Amino acid sequence: AQSVTQPDIHITVSEGASLELRCNYSYGATPYLFWYVQSPGQGLQLLLKYFSGDTLVQGIKGFEAEFKRSQSSFNLRKPSVHWSDAAEYFCAVGARQAGTALIFGKGTTLSVSS
Amino acid sequence: EAGVTQFPSHSVIEKGQTVTLRCDPISGHDNLYWYRRVMGKEIKFLLHFVKESKQDESGMPNNRFLAERTGGTYSTLKVQPAELEDSGVYFCASSQEFIREGGYTFGSGTRLTVV
Repeated sequence: AQSVTQPDIHITVSEGASLELRCNYSYGATPYLFWYVQSPGQGLQLLLKYFSGDTLVQGIKGFEAEFKRSQSSFNLRKPSVHWSDAAEYFCAVGARQAGTALIFGKGTTLSVSS
Repeated sequence: EAGVTQFPSHSVIEKGQTVTLRCDPISGHDNLYWYRRVMGKEIKFLLHFVKESKQDESGMPNNRFLAERTGGTYSTLKVQPAELEDSGVYFCASSQEFIREGGYTFGSGTRLTVV
């Protein structure tokens, strides 16, 4: 069955510390991969995506993610977290075709401590 | 360019009542999607419109949910009658060229509470 697993429901990181949010997927073939962020009262904002090519992708707000085919993973990283990064983060996958329905993980809530 | 707009942002209704959610996609986007997140669960796909046609409605939970997209512009999602388990956040998204755009643009969502 197709699924996305975000094993960490809630993570707390000190401001200025590094961050890694984990994402593993189960899919029939290599899918398109996404990370979205939802801040309180806001919609889902695309952080970054992987379609093909370089497996290390850069996104907005200083985030990056690395696709590892052998591990079926697409972990999100940031070298230095800011208080404004506190939000809920969602990993999602979709088939390699237009109009595909995305499959989301349950999300990871990030809290940032001062 | 205006983003995807959803109305209302919040709705509280009683069990058995009817609620209609509206989504205005980005102008010119033929593809419109509805997703839902029930509390504590993942965001799940409901259906996909291409212009006014339902391309995929495999995620619609039951026949109490009716989605329409008249004229291929805005879309409505009606829940009738609403049940407690329908509570959650309903997201709408749109796209024109999925690959070129790098995916969809999501709206802010409608938080539905059924009491």
